[in-house]
Amino acid sequence: AQSVTQLGSHVSVSEGALVLLRCNYSSSVPPYLFWYVQYPNQGLQLLLKYTTGATLVKGINGFEAEFKKSETSFHLTKPSAHMSDAAEYFCAVSDWEYGNKLVFGAGTILRVKS
Amino acid sequence: DTAVSQTPKYLVTQMGNDKSIKCEQNLGHDTMYWYKQDSKKFLKIMFSYNNKELIINETVPNRFSPKSPDKAHLNLHINSLELGDSAVYFCASSPLGTSGGIEQFFGPGTRLTVL
Repeated sequence: AQSVTQLGSHVSVSEGALVLLRCNYSSSVPPYLFWYVQYPNQGLQLLLKYTTGATLVKGINGFEAEFKKSETSFHLTKPSAHMSDAAEYFCAVSDWEYGNKLVFGAGTILRVKS
Repeated sequence: DTAVSQTPKYLVTQMGNDKSIKCEQNLGHDTMYWYKQDSKKFLKIMFSYNNKELIINETVPNRFSPKSPDKAHLNLHINSLELGDSAVYFCASSPLGTSGGIEQFFGPGTRLTVL
């Protein structure tokens, strides 16, 4: 069965600093990986996804993630944090053998300090 | 032009009551889902329907019954509400696909509080 581990339930960075949110996955089949963002009291919005092909994936709002099979990781980065990036971020793997459900990590709350 | 909508946004009710949450998507998708986000923000799939047919039914109490009158709607009915049912319930939809990597589009959520 697929699973996701997000290291660090809370990450705090200064405005303009690098953002690094960690995600490791476990999958018995080729993984399809996602990062979603949830702003307070809102639904989830897709930031980016990895399916096949290029391992460096670019998403919205300047975020990108790199799929590393050898490390079973899919960490999310952004070179320069903005105050508007403060939100909760969820990494997910698609359990596509069983109806394409998403299996989510526990989430990481990103705080951006001015 | 809302993609995935849910009603109501907030639902406060007493233990033992029966309540429903409605979900509609105007994206033309074939597949719809219900997820539960608990108080620790952990998200877990509950159900998935594909063209009105149930395809995922996780370990969810029988008190929860999804209903899909057509492929654009997936409602969630909960009988005999318990304190532990308090959570945010998200509806999502996606195109039909034979493999993973298909984006799911989420609704704004329904915050259910059981007193």
